[in-house]
Amino acid sequence: AQTVTQSQPEMSVQEAETVTLSCTYDTSESDYYLFWYKQPPSRQMILVIRQEAYKQQNATENRFSVNFQKAAKSFSLKISDSQLGDAAMYFCAYRSANGNQFYFGTGTSLTVIP
Amino acid sequence: EAGVAQSPRYKIIEKRQSVAFWCNPISGHATLYWYQQILGQGPKLLIQFQNNGVVDDSQLPKDRFSAERLKGVDSTLKIQPAKLEDSAVYLCASSQLFGRVNTEAFFGQGTRLTVV
Repeated sequence: AQTVTQSQPEMSVQEAETVTLSCTYDTSESDYYLFWYKQPPSRQMILVIRQEAYKQQNATENRFSVNFQKAAKSFSLKISDSQLGDAAMYFCAYRSANGNQFYFGTGTSLTVIP
Repeated sequence: EAGVAQSPRYKIIEKRQSVAFWCNPISGHATLYWYQQILGQGPKLLIQFQNNGVVDDSQLPKDRFSAERLKGVDSTLKIQPAKLEDSAVYLCASSQLFGRVNTEAFFGQGTRLTVV
């Protein structure tokens, strides 16, 4: 089974600053999808951003962007201009191309300091 | 578009009792997932359905957990008998089966189970 590793259990950032959350994964597949999900205290998991492995260009969604390094099997999330509402658990997830595996990392708890 | 519906939101039971959770995925989503999320941890996949067939149940404790998706739409997850360590949030998610768009899983709000 594929594994997803998030080595930062907790991170903090000053409001309006930038923070980067790390994720590495292990796979023998060449085609797959990677995701960052946000889980606020209300616990509903919300998609932040997705990256297709076949695309070399890093995905961007407003203040959120990723640094996808396929050879290194690294997929970090950068949050720019951090806002108080960004405080949550962030999970990195891997999905195989055929959809038969959808695995999550252990999460990073992000605190935004006013 | 209606999201993934789960019920109940909360459940408290005594150990050795039985409990069932219900999930209705987004209309048209062929793939349905059940995850167990213990406090402070990431979601752990328990079982994955494609339509009414099981794709992956390798991490489902089959001696006490069961799940079904008889008509390929909604699904139930049952625990019988429950143990203290089953206390967790049970998340249901669904996704489309084909294509390179909308590949993500959409989640329900989860059911928080407390076993006392």
